Amino acid sequence: AQSVTQPDIHITVSEGASLELRCNYSYGATPYLFWYVQSPGQGLQLLLKYFSGDTLVQGIKGFEAEFKRSQSSFNLRKPSVHWSDAAEYFCAVYDYKLSFGAGTTVTVRA
Amino acid sequence: KAGVTQTPRYLIKTRGQQVTLSCSPISGHRSVSWYQQTPGQGLQFLFEYFSETQRNKGNFPGRFSGRQFSNSRSEMNVSTLELGDSALYLCASSLSFRGAYYNEQFFGPGTRLTVL
Repeated sequence: AQSVTQPDIHITVSEGASLELRCNYSYGATPYLFWYVQSPGQGLQLLLKYFSGDTLVQGIKGFEAEFKRSQSSFNLRKPSVHWSDAAEYFCAVYDYKLSFGAGTTVTVRA
Repeated sequence: KAGVTQTPRYLIKTRGQQVTLSCSPISGHRSVSWYQQTPGQGLQFLFEYFSETQRNKGNFPGRFSGRQFSNSRSEMNVSTLELGDSALYLCASSLSFRGAYYNEQFFGPGTRLTVL
């Protein structure tokens, strides 16, 4: 079955510092991969998605992700974190339904 | 354009009761999917409805059921509630173009169900 793994449960980063969230996928073919963000009390918002083509994907809110087939990874990055980026982030793979990773909680310290 | 709406936003029930949650998709969207989010199991797919028919189903017991109406609004029902059913239930809608493998899903804010 298709699945994604997020190795980091919680990450703390200083405001203005860079952020990288890890995601590893298990899928036989080229996966449809996504990053979602969830703020407290909110639903899920799509940050970016990868289907094929350019392996560096730009998303909303200044986020980007890089698809690396050789490492089965789809890591999310942001060069400079803002306090409003504190949230839970989910990596997901699509195979007629979304299968999510366990999520990574990001805390931003002043 | 209005987003996905879910009602009620919060619900408290006791064990053994049943509950019905409602989801109104974005106007024009024909597919509605339901997900359960718990601290222990994370986000899990429940089922998807398209044109009033269940198209895909996750690995949940038969106590979890759903339906979709002709206006694409969807309801999910949980019968004989258990403590473990306490969760955030998220609904997502998509356009679901004919023949398209993937259609972007837009999520609602969820219904927080607490079972006492």
